[in-house]
Amino acid sequence: KNEVEQSPQNLTAQEGEFITINCSYSVGISALHWLQQHPGGGIVSLFMLSSGKKKHGRLIATINIQEKHSSLHITASHPRDSAVYICAALGGSQGNLIFGKGTKLSVKP
Amino acid sequence: DTGVSQDPRHKITKRGQNVTFRCDPISEHNRLYWYRQTLGQGPEFLTYFQNEAQLEKSRLLSDRFSAERPKGSFSTLEIQRTEQGDSAMYLCASSRTGYGYTFGSGTRLTVV
Repeated sequence: KNEVEQSPQNLTAQEGEFITINCSYSVGISALHWLQQHPGGGIVSLFMLSSGKKKHGRLIATINIQEKHSSLHITASHPRDSAVYICAALGGSQGNLIFGKGTKLSVKP
Repeated sequence: DTGVSQDPRHKITKRGQNVTFRCDPISEHNRLYWYRQTLGQGPEFLTYFQNEAQLEKSRLLSDRFSAERPKGSFSTLEIQRTEQGDSAMYLCASSRTGYGYTFGSGTRLTVV
């Protein structure tokens, strides 16, 4: 079992839909990252959070430390949101990220 | 500062050749990480530097792999005697202690 699990693996949505991607982790962490990766490889950091909730534009990330669970929400989804969304847990004394396998999101117009 | 730069963006090499990749982190970031990502998978940790010291190496980093960060600034990742299984995206990231990560665009290696 991976230390960081994401669901779903693939997600297809219609433009305008509200999207939720889930992340569960089994390790102790100091923070959790949500990352966005477009075709071609470049990774963009969306959020780093250790408690509560963060919002940036149409993106919202929440984390429940007790339940070891985080969610990424996208409101009013748009085709340009199509990408792979990766959850990564920051844990351990050396600060290495442990990555989930990613959720491939496709938003259809 | 334009972020984390990686060079080259793409590299095609013949099996058995040596390759070297470079990563230029954000200048004030003291930590630098190398990750490898294969198709359909999340990135996997390879190694990590704090300033010029290599503090941790993954078991994925075989004897054919070596990484350096000689002056605590840019880093190089060398793969000797490349194998087809080395084909992957090699990602570099940097961070400042306690802050978020910034990733480079990656170097895509194809071993033929």
